[in-house]
Amino acid sequence: GAVVSQHPSRVICKSGTSVKIECRSLDFQATTMFWYRQFPKQSLMLMATSNEGSKATYEQGVEKDKFLINHASLTLSTLTVTSAHPEDSSFYICSARDAGPQGSTHEQYFGPGTRLTVT
Amino acid sequence: GQQLNQSPQSMFIQEGEDVSMNCTSSSIFNTWLWYKQEPGEGPVLLIALYKAGELTSNGRLTAQFGITRKDSFLNISASIPSDVGIYFCAGSGGSNYKLTFGKGTLLTVNP
Repeated sequence: GAVVSQHPSRVICKSGTSVKIECRSLDFQATTMFWYRQFPKQSLMLMATSNEGSKATYEQGVEKDKFLINHASLTLSTLTVTSAHPEDSSFYICSARDAGPQGSTHEQYFGPGTRLTVT
Repeated sequence: GQQLNQSPQSMFIQEGEDVSMNCTSSSIFNTWLWYKQEPGEGPVLLIALYKAGELTSNGRLTAQFGITRKDSFLNISASIPSDVGIYFCAGSGGSNYKLTFGKGTLLTVNP
């Protein structure tokens, strides 16, 4: 149980183009999903919190117009990197919170990540 | 903001040895989580702790939620080569369910 998928696993795009990354919870409903960015040999940096049916909440310093997040259903959240530049190259990881029967669990289950390379 | 201090930063051990790593926080958390991440993959949840003083095991892994709610440790007994990876602690305390991560402990196990 608690499986989260991400697609694509790897993507290479040209500078100036946009890239969409999908995050799906496969066997549970996730009212809340999170998007992280991870640089080599570093910890995970939270970018934004995605709530189903409402606007995402972005962390300080993260440009909401550059990193568009949509959480249209209880099992799918998408992150679109708009007008990508080489400095956006990174490992992007999503996670989903399994609300559980009482809606109080803090456990987050992570997807396998998406390696973005902008040339 | 909240910060987690995770130590050690890296460990090089022989197969069969026991391992211990810990995290301390400047503030209180209601939940402590331990994850393992392998290269090119997302973190995998190992153990979740919800009560101060709680001691929980998952196979060869044992983790404890500190009494003060500001610390947690993870022990791995009888390490094997597949234990290699980066171990992260994470704390959660707010209604927004956000996690604060430690900087990770890189574990290398020599066969």
